[in-house]
Amino acid sequence: EVQLVESGGGLVQPGRSLRLSCAVSGFTFDDYGMHWVRQAPGKGLEWVSGIGWNSGVIGYADSVKGRFTISRDNAKNSLFLQMNSLRPEDTALYYCAKSISVAAKNAFDIWGQGTMVTVSS
Amino acid sequence: EIVMTQSPATLSVSPGERATLSCRASQSVSTKLAWYQQIPGQTPRLLIYGASTRATGIPARFSGSGSGTEFTLTISSLQSEDFVVYFCQQYNDWPTFGQGTKLEIK
Repeated sequence: EVQLVESGGGLVQPGRSLRLSCAVSGFTFDDYGMHWVRQAPGKGLEWVSGIGWNSGVIGYADSVKGRFTISRDNAKNSLFLQMNSLRPEDTALYYCAKSISVAAKNAFDIWGQGTMVTVSS
Repeated sequence: EIVMTQSPATLSVSPGERATLSCRASQSVSTKLAWYQQIPGQTPRLLIYGASTRATGIPARFSGSGSGTEFTLTISSLQSEDFVVYFCQQYNDWPTFGQGTKLEIK
């Protein structure tokens, strides 16, 4: 069974850091691009960051560029999102999502259940 | 950044009727367009990619069309479980989503 399981969310003060993880199983991880997508409470979907199969292609939304860093460990079937200088507007449910193919710029066919990040003093 | 605009924000249709949802891109995205369905409290589900290809397990009543900047998701013969929220997404560049269309029972 294909599974994406996010972890690492929580309550954090503005300006602090948090590291999200996504553990993957059920498919060959290094055959696919991977992404982080977030959804603020009651709002729509916002793409945050994406990474190609071998980390050679990486992209960020303008809203997080310079503050967030995406990475992956293909040996451990894991995706990460290092979030620094967090702001209240970063408060959202963060989803890990799998590209439908090796290309990083892609649609997403599998999503995790999400991990909630709340930025508040 | 490619801006995706969905219309209408809310669409009221009767069960058994057809629904037509629109999505417009601020610049051409070719056919690099996907549609997702999201039931409240659940994870988004991929319906359509490549503008018109149904994802695995998606019923035939869902169909997509369009290219360039104008796209349409059509749901024929609406079922009760279809009255949820739909998002479009372009992936011709780094992905961006539309703001969503809520399909409600008329």
